[in-house]
Amino acid sequence: SYELTQPPSVSASPGQTARITCSGDALPNQYGHWYQQKPGQAPVLVIYKDSERPSGIPERFSGSSSGTILTLTISGVQAEDEADYYCQSADSDSTNWVFGGGTKLTVL
Amino acid sequence: QVQLVQSGAEVKKPGSSVKVSCKSSGDTVNTYIIAWVRQVPGQGLEWMGEIIPMFGTANYGQKFQGRVTLTADKSTRTVYMGLSSLASEDTAVYYCARHYYDNSGYNWFDPWGQGTLVTVSS
Repeated sequence: SYELTQPPSVSASPGQTARITCSGDALPNQYGHWYQQKPGQAPVLVIYKDSERPSGIPERFSGSSSGTILTLTISGVQAEDEADYYCQSADSDSTNWVFGGGTKLTVL
Repeated sequence: QVQLVQSGAEVKKPGSSVKVSCKSSGDTVNTYIIAWVRQVPGQGLEWMGEIIPMFGTANYGQKFQGRVTLTADKSTRTVYMGLSSLASEDTAVYYCARHYYDNSGYNWFDPWGQGTLVTVSS
């Protein structure tokens, strides 16, 4: 079955830049999306179609894609950004919707 | 703006079934696809299946095929997720989410319901 691989954890100090990666063989041909999940809350879409930001999401959140790697960048990390982040995409046939294992962002 | 509100927490015995609801408001939700995503405590997100309420057609993830049944009541804009033969491993938070498609067919999950905790315990 298709898998998306994320690092378990990433840390950054306030004001620094945090980058979270997601790798998957089908990513060159499929868009990827990112969700933020804070403890006890439902996931929230923060980036869609690799790099688009929904309304209401701060500009410090950005996304990019290169080959088999999807990247979420948080510029000027704030304490409120501490959360789990999940990437999501589809397999090459667009028949299965897959999430990465999640990355815990710790703001030091 | 679409909002999804789910039913409350459930406690079930092993071997029994559960039915969780997801009520939508704010838009013509019956034209959308509603997906269900599971999150076992401390673990990641897992797509279970989804349904097009307007047509009542559903498709399921291989892992859940045969145990999950998705239904929809168009009149009340409510989608239901039924899960049978419950085991302790099914203890999880179950989310509904709109599976949104743009004009080009690209798609993502937004928004999400608040989640429903299902606890399976003897």
